[in-house]
Amino acid sequence: EAGVTQFPSHSVIEKGQTVTLRCDPISGHDNLYWYRRVMGKEIKFLLHFVKESKQDESGMPNNRFLAERTGGTYSTLKVQPAELEDSGVYFCASSQVPGPYGYTFGSGTRLTVV
Amino acid sequence: TQLLEQSPQFLSIQEGENLTVYCNSSSVFSSLQWYRQEPGEGPVLLVTVVTGGEVKKLKRLTFQFGDARKDSSLHITAAQPGDTGLYLCAAGGSNYKLTFGKGTLLTVNP
Repeated sequence: EAGVTQFPSHSVIEKGQTVTLRCDPISGHDNLYWYRRVMGKEIKFLLHFVKESKQDESGMPNNRFLAERTGGTYSTLKVQPAELEDSGVYFCASSQVPGPYGYTFGSGTRLTVV
Repeated sequence: TQLLEQSPQFLSIQEGENLTVYCNSSSVFSSLQWYRQEPGEGPVLLVTVVTGGEVKKLKRLTFQFGDARKDSSLHITAAQPGDTGLYLCAAGGSNYKLTFGKGTLLTVNP
């Protein structure tokens, strides 16, 4: 089966611009998660979708971040306007069952804001 | 917020040596996962442990969950260059979120 696909793999944008990251989960996985790792820090939870519904977005840093999951399939994470501190690697993961088991992670999108 | 401390941060060893890396917290976990991450890739799940005192073996890797479910260790026997990577522990609580440690960067030299 195909894994979790993220694109772009890298993005370099200027401060104040908008960037949209995309994640295609494994087919049939209702649970989709976004995580982020900023330099020198651990990977941190951003939010969790169950199908098209946001189950928990408590990890979203601020209202410059907007996540959507159209029709319960792929998800996008938009940052608008981007700030320097948004730089990092954004990971998407999906799982078939809820709970902290059996995550499959994508390769991540490395975002650099200059 | 539970905090996971991983040690050591960096480990460089020769092929054939044994090693142990640790993951500790002051909080109790309902589950503990170990991942391995290579450059440019996402974390890949190695094992999930859920029972205090549980030991799981995966070829040359042995994972142990502490009796009190606050700590875990990963032991690699006869390390090989292919074991090189970033080893991450991640704790699951009563919900679906994972809390990660910063990782142990392992280098196995031929």
